Amino acid sequence: DAKTTQPPSMDCAEGRAANLPCNHSTISGNEYVYWYRQIHSQGPQYIIHGLKNNETNEMASLIITEDRKSSTLILPHATLRDTAVYYCIVSPSSGGSNYKLTFGKGTLLTVNP
Amino acid sequence: EPEVTQTPSHQVTQMGQEVILRCVPISNHLYFYWYRQILGQKVEFLVSFYNNEISEKSEIFDDQFSVERPDGSNFTLKIRSTKLEDSAMYFCASSRDSPFMYEQYFGPGTRLTVT
Repeated sequence: DAKTTQPPSMDCAEGRAANLPCNHSTISGNEYVYWYRQIHSQGPQYIIHGLKNNETNEMASLIITEDRKSSTLILPHATLRDTAVYYCIVSPSSGGSNYKLTFGKGTLLTVNP
Repeated sequence: EPEVTQTPSHQVTQMGQEVILRCVPISNHLYFYWYRQILGQKVEFLVSFYNNEISEKSEIFDDQFSVERPDGSNFTLKIRSTKLEDSAMYFCASSRDSPFMYEQYFGPGTRLTVT
């Protein structure tokens, strides 16, 4: 699986957009970008994923660059409850029977009042 | 909204004892996983399970570990003889069939403390 690089921490003001970057320069054509988050000591939570088109759901938007070497997760109006560690994970779309998620250290997003 | 549940939330055991961690995955999910997170460290994959057999296991998942789906709803992780270094949060997860296997839904975890 392609390696990802994320900043260790970021701050955001409550009500503002939080933009979390991820570099995945070695991503290959059949690999998707997945985002998860982990609120303190809870189980990781799936947020969103994409291949090459931008994606939006009720939680967030995912912007993937045209060359697919980086992406940005956008929380449009961050709240205090969005304070968490955010993980960017690259995984193949399908194939085989191995569907493990490989978590890195992620980005600790702190939303400040 | 359906969710993965885990019991107990906290388990304290003595070194050398057997523990069983229990999970109830989301009912229409077909893939099941165990992950663990030692305090302050990354979430680590332990094992994946599909069609009543292990799909993949990590180096951590040695002979002391086993998984079972004893009925149509429960998914268990057994540690036969616990060690101090097994102290961690253990998360169960489940996912639907293709192409949703990487959309995994995690339970709240069981904190295992080995003394």
